[in-house]
Order: sequence, then structure tokens, then C-alpha cells
Amino acid sequence: QVQLVESGGGVVQPGRSLRLSCAASGFIFSDYGMHWIRQAPGKGLEWVAILSFDGSNKYYPDSVRGRFTISRDNSENTLYLQMNSLRAEDTAVYYCAKDPGYRSSWQGRFDPWGQGTLVTVSS
Amino acid sequence: EIVMTQSPATLSVSPGERATLSCRASQNVTTNLAWYQQKPGQAPRLLIYGASTRATGFPARFSGSGSGTEFTLTISSLQSEDFAVYYCHQYHNWPPLTFGGGTKVEIK
Repeated sequence: QVQLVESGGGVVQPGRSLRLSCAASGFIFSDYGMHWIRQAPGKGLEWVAILSFDGSNKYYPDSVRGRFTISRDNSENTLYLQMNSLRAEDTAVYYCAKDPGYRSSWQGRFDPWGQGTLVTVSS
Repeated sequence: EIVMTQSPATLSVSPGERATLSCRASQNVTTNLAWYQQKPGQAPRLLIYGASTRATGFPARFSGSGSGTEFTLTISSLQSEDFAVYYCHQYHNWPPLTFGGGTKVEIK
């Protein structure tokens, strides 16, 4: 079955950088778009980024554009999120999720999700 | 950006009773609307997509309806395992992809 396992979270000072990883298995990773979504402690869900199956198209919300970069290594079945210039408000559990749309037919929804990795931005 | 508004924020329901959750979109999203269930300490899980199609693994007591800007998630007879937070999500016009603020279904 599809499995997504995030890693790389931790405590980081404001202004510093962190890279998250999401290891995928159970499906042909190179055929599907992938997302990052985050959830601040006790709060709701916020979509963070999407990357197309081949890495050619990516989108972000205003809150992270210019600071975060989504990328993937299809040979390693791994998705990444490079987070720079981190702020206290970036503190959250970060989830990766698969888009169910095949190749160019991405749909913009999330199924399934990984278990998440916690990022805490604090001095 | 399409703003999603869920109501109520908290719904207190007795086991066996019916629960009705609402989600409103600030613009027409046709039926490009999904619902997710999140239990404490767990990742969200897709429950409904296409406004009314139940995802694999969820029983028939869960149903979704609506189109355009008004949507409803109904749980016909609440079981103990259904107490959770439910989020709606629009994927019609993006980026950005947007979520509602969630409805917590708690035991009355």
C-alpha cells in the first residue's frame, strides 16, 4: 500500500534553514504530483506547496513563496521541502501527501498523507 | 483566493445521533470539494471527494452533498470512532488550495 514517511523536523532558530524529506513507497512515485501541507499546534490545515510529477511545475501560497522550495528526486522516490528564513509562524507539523491525479492530470487534493514531522522555530 | 468557512466550530452529539456539518465557499467551486477526518495525534484522512464520493474504507453512514458554494457532511448515526475534527477543502480554483477552519465533533 502507499506509504509516505516524513523526516527532518526539529527545533531551529528564526532565520535559519531546514530541509524536510518525504520517502514514498507503494506506488510509482514519478507518475504523481506531491504536496506539502502544514498544521500549526492546535490549529487548522494550510497547504504549503505542490510539485508536478516531473518536477516541472510548482506552486506555493503567498505565506511561503520565496522562502520555501519544493523538489523531488524520482530516482530515490523522495520529496523535499527546503525551508529558508524560518519564522516563528512556520512552527507546525508538516505533512506530505500524494495527489491522486496521474501525471499531468493532477487534481489538487490529498490522498494519502504521511504521519507528519514537527518543525519548531524558536530561539 | 477562495475562502472556506465551516460551521459550527464545535458540534456536541450523542452516540447514535445524526451530525450535520456545513461548509461554505466564497466562490463557486462546483463539486471540487473534499472532506477530511482527523483524529487526535493522527494525520488527516480523505473522507469524501467530488462533494459526495466516499473514499475507500469509510462506511455508508458518512455522506456528502452540495455543489457551488454550500456543502454538507452528514454522519447518520455517530459511532465512538467518528469523534474527530472534520475539514473541508476546495480544489476547484488554485493556487492556493484552501481549507475550512474545521469542525470538531465531540461527545455530548
